[in-house]
Formats: sequence, structure tokens, C-alpha cells
Amino acid sequence: GENVEQHPSTLSVQEGDSAVIKCTYSDSASNYFPWYKQELGKGPQLIIDIRSNVGEKKDQRIAVTLNKTAKHFSLHITETQPEDSAVYFCAAFNDYKLSFGAGTTVTVRA
Amino acid sequence: DAMVIQNPRYQVTQFGKPVTLSCSQTLNHNVMYWYQQKSSQAPKLLFHYYDKDFNNEADTPDNFQSRRPNTSFCFLDIRSPGLGDAAMYLCATSSKAGGNEQFFGPGTRLTVL
Repeated sequence: GENVEQHPSTLSVQEGDSAVIKCTYSDSASNYFPWYKQELGKGPQLIIDIRSNVGEKKDQRIAVTLNKTAKHFSLHITETQPEDSAVYFCAAFNDYKLSFGAGTTVTVRA
Repeated sequence: DAMVIQNPRYQVTQFGKPVTLSCSQTLNHNVMYWYQQKSSQAPKLLFHYYDKDFNNEADTPDNFQSRRPNTSFCFLDIRSPGLGDAAMYLCATSSKAGGNEQFFGPGTRLTVL
């Protein structure tokens, strides 16, 4: 089955700096790659996604890039704010199933 | 607003006492999922419904069952909860026609005493 690896597991950034989280996947048949933000005690919230026919997608301060050849995708958050502090999960979709990375705990220092 | 609703948000049960968690959606999505999420871990898929078709993950214990009486509602039954079943249970929905985006509910935090 699909195996998604996510790095780093924790990330501390100064407010206003950028944060980058990287994921790799194993199954070349995966075709949809969402990113979720999960705050303490809440369900995961879809923040951005990318499909296999696109290399990059941007939504305000958030961007995602996908390299299908290398089987990796990344989340970029610019101008980080304290409210960006949360756990972020990448995932890869194949057939019917989302396979999640282990998560990155992002802390934005004021 | 269209959304995924889970009730209750917090559930406490005793070891071995059956418990039912519920999920409802106003998105009219044809796929509904149940995930288990333990502390500091990623969500783990237990099973999903594609319309009325039930699909169990191979490693989901028999202790976990599910029912989907109609498009809007889905239930998770834990027949004999053990201490290891304490977790956040997440319901999610998606539409096959909608590009596979999964939308999660707020979760039910289950405590087993």
C-alpha cells in the first residue's frame, strides 16, 4: 500500500518567517495530495490540495508544490502568524483511501 | 452552512460497555469514513461507506462496527470498548464526483474507564 513520510516532525519559526514541510509518497498511482491543519481538540481542516496534473498551487500565504517524478510534495507557509500554530498532515489519495503522513507540529513564536 | 456534525463531542464509557458514536452530514456526499486518531498520531481509517456499500479495512478489529441508515447519517458502534480504544474518532465525507476532497467533522473524544 501507499506509504507517506513527512518531515520535520516539529518546526518552530519566528512570526513572519516561512515554514516548509516536506512529504514523500511511494505509490506512483496516487493522484491527489491534500494538506490538513489540525488544532488541538478539533478535526483536521483541509487547507490546500493539489492534483497530479499540476505542479504548484497557491492560496494567499499557503502554497503547495508537487514533483511527480521524485514523488514528493511540499507545503510552504509564508509570513507565518501565531494562528498558524497547529499540527499539519500531508496525505496521498489512491483508489478510495487517504494515506497520511505522521504530522508536523508547527509552533510560531511571537 | 453545509457541514459534518459529530455527536457527542465527548463520550465516557466503562470498560466493556457498548457505545455508539454518530455522524451526520448536510453535504449530501455519497462516501462516509470513520477514522480513529490516537494522541500525536495521524488518523487511521477504520472503514468507509460508498453509498450503502460497506468497506472494512483489513486491520480494523471486529469490535468496531458501523451502520449507515441513510445518506446523511453514519454510526460507529464499539461493542466492548477496551482501554486501548480510547481515542478521537473522526467522521469524514467526500463526493466521488467532487474530486475526492475529504471533509472532517470535529471528532468525538472517547474515554474508557
